[in-house]
Amino acid sequence: GAVVSQHPSWVICKSGTSVKIECRSLDFQATTMFWYRQFPKQSLMLMATSNEGSKATYEQGVEKDKFLINHASLTLSTLTVTSAHPEDSSFYICSAPILSHTEAFFGQGTRLTVV
Amino acid sequence: RKEVEQDPGPFNVPEGATVAFNCTYSNSASQSFFWYRQDCRKEPKLLMSVYSSGNEDGRFTAQLNRASQYISLLIRDSKLSDSATYLCVVNLNNNNDMRFGAGTRLTVKP
Repeated sequence: GAVVSQHPSWVICKSGTSVKIECRSLDFQATTMFWYRQFPKQSLMLMATSNEGSKATYEQGVEKDKFLINHASLTLSTLTVTSAHPEDSSFYICSAPILSHTEAFFGQGTRLTVV
Repeated sequence: RKEVEQDPGPFNVPEGATVAFNCTYSNSASQSFFWYRQDCRKEPKLLMSVYSSGNEDGRFTAQLNRASQYISLLIRDSKLSDSATYLCVVNLNNNNDMRFGAGTRLTVKP
């Protein structure tokens, strides 16, 4: 079964609105979670590293004021796309590491469409 | 240079064919290596880890050459259900700092 749960799986929103995506670790604690974005026919690109109890670390070129990350508990990280625009339409996916496992565990992904 | 580079693809092969994917990575300090499979509009799922000694899982064989910083995946006796995008993934450290290749799309046709 899934070890990382992401919600919602898809969302359509109007331009200018904000959208929140949740990523939960199931039955384990995750002090770190990763947020990725994937445009059509492209690879997953790391957007930011979410750190429980501290500020997220953003990759170069990712606007921290536009993509707000909150990791308030050991099992939940949220990504809020603020003032969404059509160019933000993409597949957003989170992952969380599990101690003693080197492979990544992914949420189911969120397909965001901004109209 | 990209951190992880893969064959551009796409690969279109008939059922039963053998197909090989290649991948190179730039960071010699990379810790662990994987092949993931991603179906359209889905999250990536681990196909197999890759070890220096080479490892096999049924029809799938993965190989790692640390000296050349090269990873490969061989699929034998291709099935229709193997159609997907295959991602080469490198873990830079034990904190799951993963770097993804662009993916190679495989289509297996009847």
